[in-house]
Amino acid sequence: GNSVTQMEGPVTLSEEAFLTINCTYTATGYPSLFWYVQYPGEGLQLLLKATKADDKGSNKGFEATYRKETTSFHLEKGSVQVSDSAVYFCALSDQEDSSYKLIFGSGTRLLVRP
Amino acid sequence: ETGVTQSPTHLIKTRGQQVTLRCSSQSGHNTVSWYQQALGQGPQFIFQYYREEENGRGNFPPRFSGLQFPNYSSELNVNALELDDSALYLCASSSRQGAYEQYFGPGTRLTVT
Repeated sequence: GNSVTQMEGPVTLSEEAFLTINCTYTATGYPSLFWYVQYPGEGLQLLLKATKADDKGSNKGFEATYRKETTSFHLEKGSVQVSDSAVYFCALSDQEDSSYKLIFGSGTRLLVRP
Repeated sequence: ETGVTQSPTHLIKTRGQQVTLRCSSQSGHNTVSWYQQALGQGPQFIFQYYREEENGRGNFPPRFSGLQFPNYSSELNVNALELDDSALYLCASSSRQGAYEQYFGPGTRLTVT
């Protein structure tokens, strides 16, 4: 079945460092890909998405490019802030029967130090 | 625009009891999905509701059931609670046209003792 694999955390960076969180997927067909962020004690917030190969999703300085040839959707940010500390989830769309569900990776915790 | 809301925020139940969690979808959204997030893991799809009917189900037993109401709000019911049911339960709403673009509520933290 479809699945998502994320790099294990925690990822610890100093403020203004460059961020990469790796995400690879296994899927039949052409899923949409998403990054969600979860701040402590909160639900998930949609950070960015890409719906087809070579699409680049971007939001709040974060970017990710849908790479079909490498089945990847790595999250990047050029200069992280302390406020970016959170857990980041990569997800793909999966339509089985008549539902439209998301399949999530296990999450990567990011800790940014001042 | 009102976002997805869930109630209660926290809940403590005893093994064997039953629980009902509630979700109000975001304005303009008619599809509701429920996910279970165990500690340190990603969310797992429980089921989805559209037009008041279950519209797909993940690998969860029948003691997990739900409802959707005409105003698109939804309930998740869990019978015969087990210790492993302790988790954060997330509700997400979406429009049918953008069904994969799901917007999540803050979740209900369920603890089963």
